[in-house]
Amino acid sequence: DGGITQSPKYLFRKEGQNVTLSCEQNLNHDAMYWYRQDPGQGLRLIYYSQIVNDFQKGDIAEGYSVSREKKESFPLTVTSAQKNPTAFYLCASRKQEGAYNEQFFGPGTRLTVL
Amino acid sequence: EDQVTQSPEALRLQEGESSSLNCSYTVSGLRGLFWYRQDPGKGPEFLFTLYSAGEEKEKERLKATLTKKESFLHITAPKPEDSATYLCAVQTTSGTYKYIFGTGTRLKVLA
Repeated sequence: DGGITQSPKYLFRKEGQNVTLSCEQNLNHDAMYWYRQDPGQGLRLIYYSQIVNDFQKGDIAEGYSVSREKKESFPLTVTSAQKNPTAFYLCASRKQEGAYNEQFFGPGTRLTVL
Repeated sequence: EDQVTQSPEALRLQEGESSSLNCSYTVSGLRGLFWYRQDPGKGPEFLFTLYSAGEEKEKERLKATLTKKESFLHITAPKPEDSATYLCAVQTTSGTYKYIFGTGTRLKVLA
């Protein structure tokens, strides 16, 4: 079955640590996205990538970094510079051709800072 | 500024009591409007895409409609398993990447 996987499901970070969230898709989608979800707020875009080896900052990129070395993978690193990282992180992908504009989401990673 | 507003924030219905959720948008140009269902602790599940005013899509007890200013998600004779948060998102014409999400409507259907 095609889909998007995220790991881990739960992640705990100590102050000053960098942590990396995994996102893998086997849908052959070109575009991949990272969002952050906080209670009472809409999803906010962190980074997106439309093609391998290329990515752009979203609305709240400060304190985060990404890489896109493979079409299937788009890991997100939450650095120690992100002052309030506790949130639910969602990865999404989209087919980038024709009329296919909908994004498909992974199951999410809940990050908690201890 | 592009904006998406969903109402109500929360809605409690009795099983079988039909209702509608609203998503109003203010964008420079609409490429598409999307509805998602999200269960607690899970990622959003895609439901519908609407592209132009007058368009309608249906799936089981759900029907989505679109006008030039808003979209409605109609829920007919809901069941407890329809309880979830329903998210609306808009893709603007200002860039192929840009999606703006509403804050969602939390629906609870009581048996």
